[in-house]
Amino acid sequence: AQKITQTQPGMFVQEKEAVTLDCTYDTSDPSYGLFWYKQPSSGEMIFLIYQGSYDQQNATEGRYSLNFQKARKSANLVISASQLGDSAMYFCAMRADGYALNFGKGTSLLVTP
Amino acid sequence: SAVISQKPSRDICQRGTSLTIQCQVDSQVTMMFWYRQQPGQSLTLIATANQGSEATYESGFVIDKFPISRPNLTFSTLTVSNMSPEDSSIYLCSVEGERLNTEAFFGQGTRLTVV
Repeated sequence: AQKITQTQPGMFVQEKEAVTLDCTYDTSDPSYGLFWYKQPSSGEMIFLIYQGSYDQQNATEGRYSLNFQKARKSANLVISASQLGDSAMYFCAMRADGYALNFGKGTSLLVTP
Repeated sequence: SAVISQKPSRDICQRGTSLTIQCQVDSQVTMMFWYRQQPGQSLTLIATANQGSEATYESGFVIDKFPISRPNLTFSTLTVSNMSPEDSSIYLCSVEGERLNTEAFFGQGTRLTVV
């Protein structure tokens, strides 16, 4: 069975600061992928970044980077230089034995001026 | 990235009625996924829709309540049948990106309120 855990229901960060959103996972499948999504209040799901279990380097996409620690089964999202528009729900998700995604409960991020 | 058009974006429906949600993709995709997001909750997979075969439903979801069509490789519909207030949720369709297994994109979502 797969499980995604996001332990931070809510986070605050000041504009221009960096913030780390935590995600741990559990799977017995050796091949899996980890995803992060942003969901603003409009409800759409915006794909941010992907990390494969066999990838040697941490994924980066612009201001987003994924701190992948395979032995600890963690895949934390780091947002650098936060902007007011980053305020949203953030979901960590995993794909392992199928093609559908299994989501964590999400973290609500509020960026303050 | 795949462009997914999902309609309607929102609706308010009477209990006991049905609503059909459409999902159109700008490229051919093998699998399409339908998710439900209840208020304040995470996303839960309803079913996987393959072209030319019956959809595969997850535990807790049944075809009579959530019939799905997949007539071709770019289109799918989800119907929420005999609605009750408990069906009030955001419903989202999702597909793989061109880089298989490394991208997954969502439609804009359908925000359904049942009164």
